[in-house]
Amino acid sequence: ETGVTQTPRHLVMGMTNKKSLKCEQHLGHNAMYWYKQSAKKPLELMFVYNFKEQTENNSVPSRFSPECPNSSHLFLHLHTLQPEDSALYLCASSRGSITEAFFGQGTRLTVV
Amino acid sequence: AQSVSQHNHHVILSEAASLELGCNYSYGGTVNLFWYVQYPGQHLQLLLKYFSGDPLVKGIKGFEAEFIKSKFSFNLRKPSVQWSDTAEYFCAVNEGRQAGTALIFGKGTTLSVSS
Repeated sequence: ETGVTQTPRHLVMGMTNKKSLKCEQHLGHNAMYWYKQSAKKPLELMFVYNFKEQTENNSVPSRFSPECPNSSHLFLHLHTLQPEDSALYLCASSRGSITEAFFGQGTRLTVV
Repeated sequence: AQSVSQHNHHVILSEAASLELGCNYSYGGTVNLFWYVQYPGQHLQLLLKYFSGDPLVKGIKGFEAEFIKSKFSFNLRKPSVQWSDTAEYFCAVNEGRQAGTALIFGKGTTLSVSS
């Protein structure tokens, strides 16, 4: 248990669906991140939030929409996804950059 | 932009063999360096980290890594691997001392240890 909880753990959605991934941390961290982990690729940074403000959007398509209502919660809203978006989506949090990031267990997303 | 290279994609070892996994990064400024491990079906866990000071850092489970600034490297080592070390290993880097600077990861190295 890392202190970072992601729900759901698994999600299957059609290309026309809208769904949301949730991430919650109670570690008192100020920064939260979304990463995408695909087979045979490095973890791809998607979004960074620092003190609830988005500080980085790593050229992510608009069908992925993040939301950070407070420092403890992070959402990733999904709509009209493509099959190639199937991957493990990881949430992480950290207290600044000079401490390590703590990762959740991820949401395994399958787009059909 | 920063990048991280892990040269070994898949390493296969017998128990008790020594391990060294290579990691190089491209960034000329101040960096923080990390090795994470992902056991099958589990979340990413920190093995060790380097921020400053002694370039030889020791982590959990007998792992260590050496930061060689002149070579932009942060190689992971373990003198004697066990079957339970079978996992995927990721090198990561972030820059400077600012808050909220995200980790950039290498592609990972899969380690398979046979008993």
